[in-house]
Amino acid sequence: AQKITQTQPGMFVQEKEAVTLDCTYDTSDPSYGLFWYKQPSSGEMIFLIYQGSYDQQNATEGRYSLNFQKARKSANLVISASQLGDSAMYFCAMREPASSASKIIFGSGTRLSIRP
Amino acid sequence: DTEVTQTPKHLVMGMTNKKSLKCEQHMGHRAMYWYKQKAKKPPELMFVYSYEKLSINESVPSRFSPECPNSSLLNLHLHALQPEDSALYLCASSLKREGDTGELFFGEGSRLTVL
Repeated sequence: AQKITQTQPGMFVQEKEAVTLDCTYDTSDPSYGLFWYKQPSSGEMIFLIYQGSYDQQNATEGRYSLNFQKARKSANLVISASQLGDSAMYFCAMREPASSASKIIFGSGTRLSIRP
Repeated sequence: DTEVTQTPKHLVMGMTNKKSLKCEQHMGHRAMYWYKQKAKKPPELMFVYSYEKLSINESVPSRFSPECPNSSLLNLHLHALQPEDSALYLCASSLKREGDTGELFFGEGSRLTVL
């Protein structure tokens, strides 16, 4: 069975600093996809970045990058130059197998607070 | 602006009422999802429709009844709910074609309160 673990319930970071949000996963399927979502207090889930299990390079999207370490089963999100608007709940999620109408399950989330 | 539209945004209902939540997307996605989210918790999957057929039901109580009238519409019919069913209900869609990364596009949610 698939499992996603986020061990940081909350983090405080100074504005303009980089921050790493941890995510580990467990799956027996060689084909899977990993996602990060942001949920501001308004409630909408916003897709940030995707990493496929067969992707050779770490995914990047603007200020977001995913540090994918397949052997360690970790998929940490790195936000560079944090901004006040980055304050939100962040969820790591996994789909197995990748690219299908299968389940996407979410980790417990990390609440990120950016200090001015 | 989200491309997945959910209505109503807020709903208050009694335990004997029958109501429905509606979700619409016009991105040509072939899979649609209902998630339930309690405060300070992650979204929990309820149902998945793939090509208008129910493909996953996560052992959801029968007081929740999903319906997918066409590829753009997803409803969640509610009947005889309990106060513990109060939550944010999120609709999502994905998968324009096989081989897509399959990220979910979420609506803003319907916040349900059961009295």
